Amino acid sequence: GQQVMQIPQYQHVQEGEDFTTYCNSSTTLSNIQWYKQRPGGHPVFLIQLVKSGEVKKQKRLTFQFGEAKKNSSLHITATQTTDVGTYFCAGSDTNAGKSTFGDGTTLTVKP
Amino acid sequence: GAGVSQTPSNKVTEKGKYVELRCDPISGHTALYWYRQSLGQGPEFLIYFQGTGAADDSGLPNDRFFAVRPEGSVSTLKIQRTERGDSAVYLCASSLWAPLGTGAASFGSGTRLTVV
Repeated sequence: GQQVMQIPQYQHVQEGEDFTTYCNSSTTLSNIQWYKQRPGGHPVFLIQLVKSGEVKKQKRLTFQFGEAKKNSSLHITATQTTDVGTYFCAGSDTNAGKSTFGDGTTLTVKP
Repeated sequence: GAGVSQTPSNKVTEKGKYVELRCDPISGHTALYWYRQSLGQGPEFLIYFQGTGAADDSGLPNDRFFAVRPEGSVSTLKIQRTERGDSAVYLCASSLWAPLGTGAASFGSGTRLTVV
């Protein structure tokens, strides 16, 4: 079945440094979503990418979808302490229905 | 507006017992998903409803797990003969029907199930 892998598992940065997490799927995706989960919280939707090579920005966050629609990345510029949490990608290989989540990248930010 | 509501927030049950977990989706969201999450892992897909019907139940681990959504709104996840391995946070999410995928799914706060 479809597998989604994320690296790194953990990332510790100093406040102000940049952060990137990578997501790779074993199959070609129809779309990919990114979620953020704070400690003790539930996943919160950040964005969905649909088109090959798509790049979307949300303030300091930049999301990319690979040309082959099998990988994606999330880049945070100049991290802040409010960025701490676990970032999950979730990919769907159909036009509707279930998404397969990666195991996330946990970001900690030292002030 | 109100988000996805899940009850109870915590449930402790004895091995072998039956449990029901409830999910109230956002009003107007036709798609509803159940996931479960173990510590340190990403959410694991269980079942997806489009309206009243289970469009994809391929993630249900075995026949002890069953979910319904009789009126296309509230959903109940039912687990029979619970086992210690069923312990996890059960998450419900809902979204508007999105032709190009699941769209912006809103998650509830989850039910933490502990089987002792």
